[in-house]
Amino acid sequence: DAGVIQSPRHEVTEMGQEVTLRCKPISGHNSLFWYRQTMMRGLELLIYFNNNVPIDDSGMPEDRFSAKMPNASFSTLKIQPSEPRDSAVYFCASRSGQGATQYFGPGTRLLVL
Amino acid sequence: DQQVKQNSPSLSVQEGRISILNCDYTNSMFDYFLWYKKYPAEGPTFLISISSIKDKNEDGRFTVFLNKSAKHLSLHIVPSQPGDSAVYFCAAAPQINDMRFGAGTRLTVKP
Repeated sequence: DAGVIQSPRHEVTEMGQEVTLRCKPISGHNSLFWYRQTMMRGLELLIYFNNNVPIDDSGMPEDRFSAKMPNASFSTLKIQPSEPRDSAVYFCASRSGQGATQYFGPGTRLLVL
Repeated sequence: DQQVKQNSPSLSVQEGRISILNCDYTNSMFDYFLWYKKYPAEGPTFLISISSIKDKNEDGRFTVFLNKSAKHLSLHIVPSQPGDSAVYFCAAAPQINDMRFGAGTRLTVKP
């Protein structure tokens, strides 16, 4: 069974450009989470969805960040416009309704020049 | 607002000895606690968990201890092995809602 799939694995872009990160959760999982990992702050929760509905987006840094989950098998995290301070590793995770354990994807390493 | 804190960014131990990783939390509503392990270029993977009704959970070489009155949990690895070298994240959740992670502790186990 495939785990959480994220694409791209690496993204290098210039400041001001739009960046879209993609995530496919584990089939049958009904919760999806976006995290950002930085050296200074570790793993920060950005937003999470239950049954495709955003539940808590209080971790989204600012209006430049947006996330969508149009269906149960796909989610995007968009940054527009991107800034150098957005450089980090972005993880997507999913969870079934039966427990608290989240399963993480391999992450997208974003570098904004 | 760091609700889950791992105050030691790194820890180095000798192979065969015990590794103790610590974690503190501030939210008394947290009911479920987990440890994740992360290797470079990979996502975190679940290691072990404990619910608030217990004070200890053991899985092979890994044991998690929970002290609710002190809002403190720890992960013990014994004996430590070089393959345990990774970043360990502590996480806490109010029941099955969103999980808050600590900043991580990098464990190095020296042969």
